[in-house]
Amino acid sequence: KQEVTQIPAALSVPEGENLVLNCSFTDSAIYNLQWFRQDPGKGLTSLLLIQSSQREQTSGRLNASLDKSSGRSTLYIAASQPGDSATYLCAVKESGGSNYKLTFGKGTLLTVNP
Amino acid sequence: GAGVSQSPSNKVTEKGKDVELRCDPISGHTALYWYRQSLGQGLEFLIYFQGNSAPDKSGLPSDRFSAERTGGSVSTLTIQRTQQEDSAVYLCASNTPPSGTQYFGPGTRLLVL
Repeated sequence: KQEVTQIPAALSVPEGENLVLNCSFTDSAIYNLQWFRQDPGKGLTSLLLIQSSQREQTSGRLNASLDKSSGRSTLYIAASQPGDSATYLCAVKESGGSNYKLTFGKGTLLTVNP
Repeated sequence: GAGVSQSPSNKVTEKGKDVELRCDPISGHTALYWYRQSLGQGLEFLIYFQGNSAPDKSGLPSDRFSAERTGGSVSTLTIQRTQQEDSAVYLCASNTPPSGTQYFGPGTRLLVL
């Protein structure tokens, strides 16, 4: 059974810092990996999606990497801003017959202090 | 265009009552998903609908939980005889496979007293 772990559970940084959020998964047979952002009382917003054949994806100040063989992904946020404060969730989609299910980590709660 | 919508946004009920949660997916999306997010836990897959295929109900935690999708669009998640451990945020998502991204609604916050 796929398990997804996110470290740290919470992170507080001053504005302007670069930071890295970590995600690990136990079964490397994934279809893709996705990073989401969740704001309090809101649904999930997709940030970056990395296909299993890719190594990284970039969007603005965000860069996500994927090392499928070692079961790891990182989300790098450059020049953090208070508006980046949210919970960041990592999710993997299984490969094979059930390649629609997402397995989520518990998230990293990020606070960026002005 | 409109995103995924869910209603109600919040629901408080007494233990033992039945509740119905509604999801309106993005128009034209063929796949619809329900997830549950309990306090301190990750999102947990509940059920998946794709077109006219039989739904994947493998994530439903007990037979008190059921879901329907009428006309390939709106879905209703029903929880019978609610228990306090059912308290959670219930999230709905939709997409059209093989699109990788699932688009999520804002969720329904259920509190069972």
